[in-house]
Amino acid sequence: EIVLTQSPGTLSLSPGERATLSCRASQSISYIYLAWYQQKPGRAPRLLIYGASTRAAGVPDRFSGSGSGTDFTLTISRLEPEDFAVYYCQQYGRSPNTFGQGTKLDIK
Amino acid sequence: QVQLVQSGGEVKKPGASVKVSCKASGYTFINYGISWVRQAPGQGLEWVGWISAYNGNTDYAQKVQGRITVTTDTSTSTAYMELRGLRFDDTAVYYCARGSLAAAGWRLDPWGQGTLVIVSP
Repeated sequence: EIVLTQSPGTLSLSPGERATLSCRASQSISYIYLAWYQQKPGRAPRLLIYGASTRAAGVPDRFSGSGSGTDFTLTISRLEPEDFAVYYCQQYGRSPNTFGQGTKLDIK
Repeated sequence: QVQLVQSGGEVKKPGASVKVSCKASGYTFINYGISWVRQAPGQGLEWVGWISAYNGNTDYAQKVQGRITVTTDTSTSTAYMELRGLRFDDTAVYYCARGSLAAAGWRLDPWGQGTLVIVSP
């Protein structure tokens, strides 16, 4: 199975700053099959990005995704207070679907 | 709007079975699949199973293979996940999420609100 490793484990930033989250795959995956989710405490995950760079419906344009092969990045250009949450990447190109262990974005 | 509403939390003893439901609304049920993803307390996300609402094809994670069955009732647009032989490490929030009708591998959107299953003696 493909292992996704996210870094850093925790990222402490202030509102207005730029956040860069990394997701590295143990094998190359097509960019088509990489997604990012946001999860707030006590809530279900929410799809943010799919196909590595396509924003899901209703997702603000401060969220962007990029990458290919084994290295993918989620960037939040200017952090808003509601962006502090846990972020997961998911690959769905090869069975089984797998998720990264998550990056917690907290307020500095 | 597209919505998945799950059944309430459950407390079960080791060795028992649990069946969680996921009722879909706001879209044509048979045009998609439903995946099930669980999250142990304080942990990350783990995909455990998928069903095509179109043709009933299923796919399961190796870790729960043989203990899990995912079904649908297209007349009520409801998916079900049954897990048998419960173990302490099955304690988790179980989410359903809409995916592809063709294969387990697809983006998941939206997600149900989650169902907490606690395995306790």
